[in-house]
Amino acid sequence: AQSVAQPEDQVNVAEGNPLTVKCTYSVSGNPYLFWYVQYPNRGLQFLLKYITGDNLVKGSYGFEAEFNKSQTSFHLKKPSALVSDSALYFCAVSTVLTGGYNKLIFGAGTRLAVHP
Amino acid sequence: DTGVSQNPRHKITKRGQNVTFRCDPISEHNRLYWYRQTLGQGPEFLTYFQNEAQLEKSRLLSDRFSAERPKGSFSTLEIQRTEQGDSAMYLCASSSGPGAVYEQYFGPGTRLTVT
Repeated sequence: AQSVAQPEDQVNVAEGNPLTVKCTYSVSGNPYLFWYVQYPNRGLQFLLKYITGDNLVKGSYGFEAEFNKSQTSFHLKKPSALVSDSALYFCAVSTVLTGGYNKLIFGAGTRLAVHP
Repeated sequence: DTGVSQNPRHKITKRGQNVTFRCDPISEHNRLYWYRQTLGQGPEFLTYFQNEAQLEKSRLLSDRFSAERPKGSFSTLEIQRTEQGDSAMYLCASSSGPGAVYEQYFGPGTRLTVT
């Protein structure tokens, strides 16, 4: 079965420092991986995705993610954190349902707290 | 704003009552999804529509839940005889293409509290 794990409930980082939010996955076949961010009282916002090609994927708001097939990981990164990056981050894998359509399977989420 | 919209944003109801939520997807998106998110968890898939056809339902969607998408536009999710365990955030998402490569765009959600 397809699954996603986010091993850290919370990540704390000082403003200006680099940040990493970890994600590992388990899929059969090729992985299609996504990162979403959720701010309070708002829906999930798409950040970036990996489908194929370059292992380093660049996304919105200066975020990037590194796909590592051997470690089955898709960690989210940013070179310099901002206080406004504080939010809940979800990693997701897209799995194909019978009939060819897909659904997203999400991890439990990681709360990122960036301190001034 | 041309994003996904959901109404109401918040709903408080007493156990045993019926509730209905509405989702308006991005206008050119023919694929629509419902997810449920409980506190401390990631969203869980409930059901999928392609145009007006409901093509997939999760086992999480008990007989008390029903979803429709008339004419392939907006969608409604109804919960009958609500239970306290139904308290959650109900999220709607839409996408423009098939398969795994098209990202889903989410609405702000409807937070349901069953007392």
